[in-house]
Amino acid sequence: SAVISQKPSRDICQRGTSLTIQCQVDSQVTMMFWYRQQPGQSLTLIATANQGSEATYESGFVIDKFPISRPNLTFSTLTVSNMSPEDSSIYLCSVERSTKFDEQYFGPGTRLTVT
Amino acid sequence: KNEVEQSPQNLTAQEGEFITINCSYSVGISALHWLQQHPGGGIVSLFMLSSGKKKHGRLIATINIQEKHSSLHITASHPRDSAVYICAVRFTGNQFYFGTGTSLTVIP
Repeated sequence: SAVISQKPSRDICQRGTSLTIQCQVDSQVTMMFWYRQQPGQSLTLIATANQGSEATYESGFVIDKFPISRPNLTFSTLTVSNMSPEDSSIYLCSVERSTKFDEQYFGPGTRLTVT
Repeated sequence: KNEVEQSPQNLTAQEGEFITINCSYSVGISALHWLQQHPGGGIVSLFMLSSGKKKHGRLIATINIQEKHSSLHITASHPRDSAVYICAVRFTGNQFYFGTGTSLTVIP
C-alpha cells in the first residue's frame, strides 16, 4: 500500500488569500491526482500532477486558480489562489502506484473553509 | 455519457442490522471501487472489483458486469460503520467517476 499525508488537515482562510496544500507519499508513485469535494457533492478531478512538467487540468479548472507542482515522484502541492467562499471544499490527493488500476490510494483530505 | 448512481442517498439503521448500498453505472467499466469517507473527510478504499464478489470482515462487495450494478453489504452493522460510502468507477481512460455517496448512520 501507499501511505499519503496531507498538510494542512484543515484551515480557515479569508477571501482573497491563497493556500497551498501539500501531499506527501511514502513511496514513489507514477500518477498523482488532486480532487475537490464541495459540500454535499461528489468528488471532482481538478488535475493530474505530472512529475517535471505542467499539470493536466480538467474542464472547468485552470492553472491560474489552481497551480500545481510536482517536483518529484513522492510530493505534490496544490495552491488555491485568490480564494472565495465557493472554494470551501475538501481537497483530496490521490495516487496511483503503478499502471494497475487497483492500486489507487487516497489521502486524508484537507478541509478548507473560506470566510 | 458516463454516469454513476448510488442508492439510497441516506440510510439510518439500528446496530446489528444488515445493510445494502447499491451502485449502478451507465457503460462498461474496467474497475469499480467502494470507498468509505469519515466525517473528517479522509477516504479509505474498501474494495476494488472487476468481477464477482469480495469479502473483508463484515463487508461484502458484489458486482454484476452484465447488469452494470454493484452492491456493498455490511453485516452486523455497528455505530463505527457510520460514514459516507462512495462508489467510484473507471470507464475507458484513467479518470474515476464518483457517485454522490450514501450517508450511513448506525444507531446504537
